[in-house]
Amino acid sequence: GAVVSQHPSWVICKSGTSVKIECRSLDFQATTMFWYRQFPKQSLMLMATSNEGSKATYEQGVEKDKFLINHASLTLSTLTVTSAHPEDSSFYICSAGGLAGGPFLIDTQYFGPGTRLTVL
Amino acid sequence: DQQVKQNSPSLSVQEGRISILNCDYTNSMFDYFLWYKKYPAEGPTFLISISSIKDKNEDGRFTVFLNKSAKHLSLHIVPSQPGDSAVYFCAASLITQGGSEKLVFGKGTKLTVNP
Repeated sequence: GAVVSQHPSWVICKSGTSVKIECRSLDFQATTMFWYRQFPKQSLMLMATSNEGSKATYEQGVEKDKFLINHASLTLSTLTVTSAHPEDSSFYICSAGGLAGGPFLIDTQYFGPGTRLTVL
Repeated sequence: DQQVKQNSPSLSVQEGRISILNCDYTNSMFDYFLWYKKYPAEGPTFLISISSIKDKNEDGRFTVFLNKSAKHLSLHIVPSQPGDSAVYFCAASLITQGGSEKLVFGKGTKLTVNP
């Protein structure tokens, strides 16, 4: 149990285009989803926290107009990188947390497999 | 197929004693390993890492040991403190066929340090 998927697993796009990445909790309902960006050999950088049905909370330094996050349902959150540039190329990972009282630990997160974005 | 496994979902230790969190992996191509710590309602924060060419890395109270032949790594916390109570994630880094890096996470171990 506790499977989180991401789609696509990798994407290549031209500079100036927008890219949408989906994060789904497949066998549980996620009240909270986190979006991270990972740089080579470095730790994860938390970009934003999204709660179902409300606006995402962005970390300092993350442009909310560039990285649009939507958490429309308890099983789906999307990250849209708008007007992508080569410096946005990175590995993006989401994680999802379960509902209180569910079969999973409330204070743990389940990570998706990540999405590799390459902007040419 | 889960490539990174943390078989103990929870661990409880007394304050001042050693905490040992274990992680097993199956893919011999992993070249870097990381530990993350997560408090409730927060995202994970980086704790310590180790390259696959080393067998030990120490940072203060935290030491990570890597046994490549056994495909096993462990995080030791000595002495354990109540503030260490959190969920700990093991992650492994892999260079994919396309030459890019990818992180694979375990499912976490919840550590409780009792006063």
